[in-house]
Amino acid sequence: DVQMTQSPSSLSASVGDRVTITCRASQTIDTYLNWYQLKPGKAPKLLIYAASSLHSGVPLRFSGSGSGTDFTLTISSLQPEDFATYCCQQSDSTPYSFGQGTKLEIK
Amino acid sequence: QVQLQESGPGLVKPSETLSLTCSVSGGSTSDNYWNWIRQPPGKGLEWIGYAFYSGSTNYNPSLKSRVTISLDPSKNQIFLKLTSVTAADTAIYYCGRDSLDYAGVVDVWGKGTTVTVSS
Repeated sequence: DVQMTQSPSSLSASVGDRVTITCRASQTIDTYLNWYQLKPGKAPKLLIYAASSLHSGVPLRFSGSGSGTDFTLTISSLQPEDFATYCCQQSDSTPYSFGQGTKLEIK
Repeated sequence: QVQLQESGPGLVKPSETLSLTCSVSGGSTSDNYWNWIRQPPGKGLEWIGYAFYSGSTNYNPSLKSRVTISLDPSKNQIFLKLTSVTAADTAIYYCGRDSLDYAGVVDVWGKGTTVTVSS
């Protein structure tokens, strides 16, 4: 099974900051890597699929990159609504697996 | 647009069966694979498995002996059954739609339903 490791587990930042979250797979997964945004009591949202493709309706300040085992999610200029938990997921093989999440908090 | 709503008992006794329903509005359950995913308190998301209307299923090996996912296209509903539950099954349970173009990409999620396993 593929294990996904995210870093950091939590991050404090301010509105307007540029932030980067990293996700590492335990084996190569090509670009089968997706990013989701989670907020309490709300439906999770797909942000990025196939490592770098922006899902419909997602703001352009979100971007993804990487291939193989190392991936990043970047938010270019944090907005108040971006404070949430971000989670990566590999869809290269079942069982699909997720990172443990990165909680992005307001500094 | 497609919306998903999970429902079911919020409290289940140990050793009993957890049964949840995901109701789909604005779309058809015949077109996609449908996932169940859960998040235990303080932990990351865990993929439980998926089903297709044809009856095809794929389960996480860690749960395979206890889980069944099925669909009723006539009602536009997806079902999850998890037998012999323990406290470790306490979690928020989400249903999610697989993207038509990218297998394993969950492009629509429900808000989730919290299930607590306790006597």
